[in-house]
Parts: sequence; C-alpha cells; structure tokens
Amino acid sequence: QKEVEQNSGPLSVPEGAIASLNCTYSDRGSQSFFWYRQYSGKSPELIMSIYSNGDKEDGRFTAQLNKASQYVSLLIRDSQPSDSATYLCAVTRLAGNQFYFGTGTSLTVIP
Amino acid sequence: DAGVTQSPTHLIKTRGQHVTLRCSPISGHKSVSWYQQVLGQGPQFIFQYYEKEERGRGNFPDRFSARQFPNYSSELNVNALLLGDSALYLCASSIQETQYFGPGTRLLVL
Repeated sequence: QKEVEQNSGPLSVPEGAIASLNCTYSDRGSQSFFWYRQYSGKSPELIMSIYSNGDKEDGRFTAQLNKASQYVSLLIRDSQPSDSATYLCAVTRLAGNQFYFGTGTSLTVIP
Repeated sequence: DAGVTQSPTHLIKTRGQHVTLRCSPISGHKSVSWYQQVLGQGPQFIFQYYEKEERGRGNFPDRFSARQFPNYSSELNVNALLLGDSALYLCASSIQETQYFGPGTRLLVL
C-alpha cells in the first residue's frame, strides 16, 4: 500500500468552476499535510499546509483534512487557466520531517 | 530573500560516472532534504540533513550519499550512475515542518 495516494487524472474543469482534488494516506500517525503545485518542467511550489481536522482557507484555495478517514482534499474556487498544473499531496509522519508525496493529480482548466 | 538555489540546472552523464549536485538553502533554514522525481511520479525522499547530521534516509542504494556543510549548504553525490538515475533532483530547505523546493537539477544518464 502506498503511503499517499492520489488520482492521477487528468482532471478537467471549465474556467470559473470548482476543482476538487483528493488524497488519502495510509499512516494514522501522520501529522502534517501539504499541497504543492507543480507546473510542467518546474519544481513544486507550496500552496497550503494543514495540521488539524477541518477546513483551512487561503484565497481561492481551501484545504480539508479528515484524520479519521485519512483523507485530505484541496478545493480551488473560480478556477483559472493558470491553475492548470499537477497538484501534489504530501504528508509527514509523527517522527521527523520526511515528506511522502503522492503521484500528483494533473488539472486542466479549460478557458 | 533568495530562495533555494541548486546547481547545475542540467547535467548529462554516461553510465558508470559520478555526479555531484549542490544546494544552498534559504537563509536561516538549517535543514536540507533531497528528493528524486522521475517523470510522472511524485518526488521520492533520498536524504534529510539538519545541522550537518543525517536525519533520515530513503530507500535508495548506497551509491547515493550526501553531506551538509557548516553554512547549511549541501551536496548530493551519486556514484556508478545507471540509466535509471535519470531524473529531476530536488533540494528542499525547511524551517519547522514546511519544505521549500529549489528549481532542481535535471540529470540525464546516457
């Protein structure tokens, strides 16, 4: 079983719609959760971090964490073509700062 | 403030050769991690260093080694290169738990 699983997509949404990206993780002891965006040929850039159950909003982005279900999601409201990228979910375990990444979900926002 | 810097940006090597990749963290960050990302996959953890000490090691062969210097910069060394080592090598520096990535070094092994 993989540490972190994501649907690879591709996920296509029209401009202005809400994009929903999902991630599950296997280790119940996982402590911290991150979403990164990666444009083709570039390195990952941090979008959001979330540490406790519930929702966390930052601009058009909302991260949701449910530790009981071992589930993290990212909602992107009012999606723009510039949001087209691969979105990586990352999780850290109780001990240490090693990041476990999913394979990423490719998002395309259609103008 | 400058972000994480890595050098070189691109590198072409042949099988069996050795390579050294370099990373300078964000000022004030004492932890550096290295990741390998092959096409279509998420980054895979190789090493983490904090205050010059190895804090973690991923599931990579002993051909991979790293070190961190007193100024917190770091080197990743790979010996006896294989075709399968072709990848984007990412360095991330961190403060507390958030990691910030450099632009990466794209290594091609022929």
